Amino acid sequence: QQQVKQSPQSLIVQKGGISIINCAYENTAFDYFPWYQQFPGKGPALLIAIRPDVSEKKEGRFTISFNKSAKQFSLHIMDSQPGDSATYFCAASKETSGSRLTFGEGTQLTVNP
Amino acid sequence: DTAVSQTPKYLVTQMGNDKSIKCEQNLGHDTMYWYKQDSKKFLKIMFSYNNKELIINETVPNRFSPKSPDKAHLNLHINSLELGDSAVYFCASSQFTGGRPGELFFGEGSRLTVL
Repeated sequence: QQQVKQSPQSLIVQKGGISIINCAYENTAFDYFPWYQQFPGKGPALLIAIRPDVSEKKEGRFTISFNKSAKQFSLHIMDSQPGDSATYFCAASKETSGSRLTFGEGTQLTVNP
Repeated sequence: DTAVSQTPKYLVTQMGNDKSIKCEQNLGHDTMYWYKQDSKKFLKIMFSYNNKELIINETVPNRFSPKSPDKAHLNLHINSLELGDSAVYFCASSQFTGGRPGELFFGEGSRLTVL
């Protein structure tokens, strides 16, 4: 059972554009929602994370929007750059119990120059 | 100084062989993980150890056996390799107690190819 669904599978954006990746989760007990970024040949790395007590978190050009009632969260990359081209994974866990991190299927982002 | 290091980075072997992958973390974390990433890039947890104790054991064939000699090391031994074992295996660590267990630090991966 896939508890975190991610879309789209792939995304092509022009340089300077906005990239938007969406995730939906099922388990209402989840309380920690990170996004990981993976470049080819490297391991995933934590990019930004949010907890359900806030609806938005921004770090530089990266913003997470969180909708608790809809059980959805999304990553927005403003002013997308070719260097942002990577695979992005959303994830969720019940951090207070240290439960395992459940990952979405991943989105391959390509930013064209 | 690499935070989570795995060896080897590449492994090419024949079906039926046995192979091991080693992982070490120097972050002082108390929890380590093995993840498998398939050809579609899906990340699936296999095992997790907290202070040398197995705490997560997903539905993984018995041919896969993890071992944690201490909290800084987690190795993965695979017996009787099959074609379907071909994947990238990632080691990761996090601080479970008093930290943020969901903040995983990943190694660079070990690409296993079974011929």
